[in-house]
Amino acid sequence: GESVGLHLPTLSVQEGDNSIINCAYSNSASDYFIWYKQESGKGPQFIIDIRSNMDKRQGQRVTVLLNKTVKHLSLQIAATQPGDSAVYFCAEKVGTYKYIFGTGTRLKVLA
Amino acid sequence: EPEVTQTPSHQVTQMGQEVILRCVPISNHLYFYWYRQILGQKVEFLVSFYNNEISEKSEIFDDQFSVERPDGSNFTLKIRSTKLEDSAMYFCASSGDRGAPYNEQFFGPGTRLTVL
Repeated sequence: GESVGLHLPTLSVQEGDNSIINCAYSNSASDYFIWYKQESGKGPQFIIDIRSNMDKRQGQRVTVLLNKTVKHLSLQIAATQPGDSAVYFCAEKVGTYKYIFGTGTRLKVLA
Repeated sequence: EPEVTQTPSHQVTQMGQEVILRCVPISNHLYFYWYRQILGQKVEFLVSFYNNEISEKSEIFDDQFSVERPDGSNFTLKIRSTKLEDSAMYFCASSGDRGAPYNEQFFGPGTRLTVL
């Protein structure tokens, strides 16, 4: 399940700092968005979701922001920990049960 | 905690052979999905399945692919005649009825398919 990519954008942050991972989505009609975390050798793991009638949603240490005007989604992770190191994907619902994933961002947490 | 399981973890096959990838979704879930991830690339949607029929499929999911829920627990993906470009990690996912379709999908650990 590892998304190893020479061309995968990488974000390096110091442990304890906040992380912001960005995603541009494609379909202005998409009404539901999800952030997934993928650790090496594993399948994607749901982090947080947001529907298009909201601009912001908070979870435990994570916040998702949605800007429909520019079709932009971001994931904020507060007080980043070593266990947050992974590849993060955004996904948009483009059909009733059909989803498109973004290219992913690798987050590296530096001790 | 319930989880999605997939077998085998790694499948090696010759080009042109048929393969069946197996998944056991979470027991009370009603919606099932297959995705693939070619090494170094993003996760790609293949198909969604509900009430014993395909709900939606992508352009990737051509006539070489089929899905089946042969019993109350398994969900399978069959590739009839594998091609080299079918080599990828295949993920099964499932979701429940509550809040559908705006609800969490649970992914399995994946099956790595290698076509030689």
